[in-house]
Amino acid sequence: KNEVEQSPQNLTAQEGEFITINCSYSVGISALHWLQQHPGGGIVSLFMLSSGKKKHGRLIATINIQEKHSSLHITASHPRDSAVYICAVRSANTGNQFYFGTGTSLTVIP
Amino acid sequence: EPEVTQTPSHQVTQMGQEVILRCVPISNHLYFYWYRQILGQKVEFLVSFYNNEISEKSEIFDDQFSVERPDGSNFTLKIRSTKLEDSAMYFCASRTDVNTEAFFGQGTRLTVV
Repeated sequence: KNEVEQSPQNLTAQEGEFITINCSYSVGISALHWLQQHPGGGIVSLFMLSSGKKKHGRLIATINIQEKHSSLHITASHPRDSAVYICAVRSANTGNQFYFGTGTSLTVIP
Repeated sequence: EPEVTQTPSHQVTQMGQEVILRCVPISNHLYFYWYRQILGQKVEFLVSFYNNEISEKSEIFDDQFSVERPDGSNFTLKIRSTKLEDSAMYFCASRTDVNTEAFFGQGTRLTVV
């Protein structure tokens, strides 16, 4: 049973394309995180959301609590955006536990 | 910029040996976590730690695992008797409180042979 589902699993884009990665979850949450995992394995937190929309540079994250869905958008994609993007939710019932999606592997071709 | 640091970056150990993975969380953070990622699989929660005690743990975190904050700066994960299936990337994370972003370390790759 996967509490968090991401799509697509793999994504290849041309440099400059607009990219959308989707995340759906089935548990009640107190927050949703978008993480970026680099090829070397390190994880960086991109966003933490509990409602609405956040923007940081070329990255935009949105969440719809009623639909239990979040999207991560990358505008004007660049090869350096190539990484695995992971959606993680913090359960509303067990406040410290995170459930992770399997990740979306993004490759941006020059 | 403050960061979570983990050592070592890679550890190879014989099956049955004890390993200690070390993490130095960001200094004003109060909540600490360990996660693992088996190669090719998703990240899994192991344990959370607050106020010098475990606040939550997953089914993975059995009696072979323990965590400690021995000196107020380090946060360690000990595996008492490693098994082949413990081979994974182990990530430490910390945050100031439950409503703030978590910061992750670069991970320790544990290989059990």
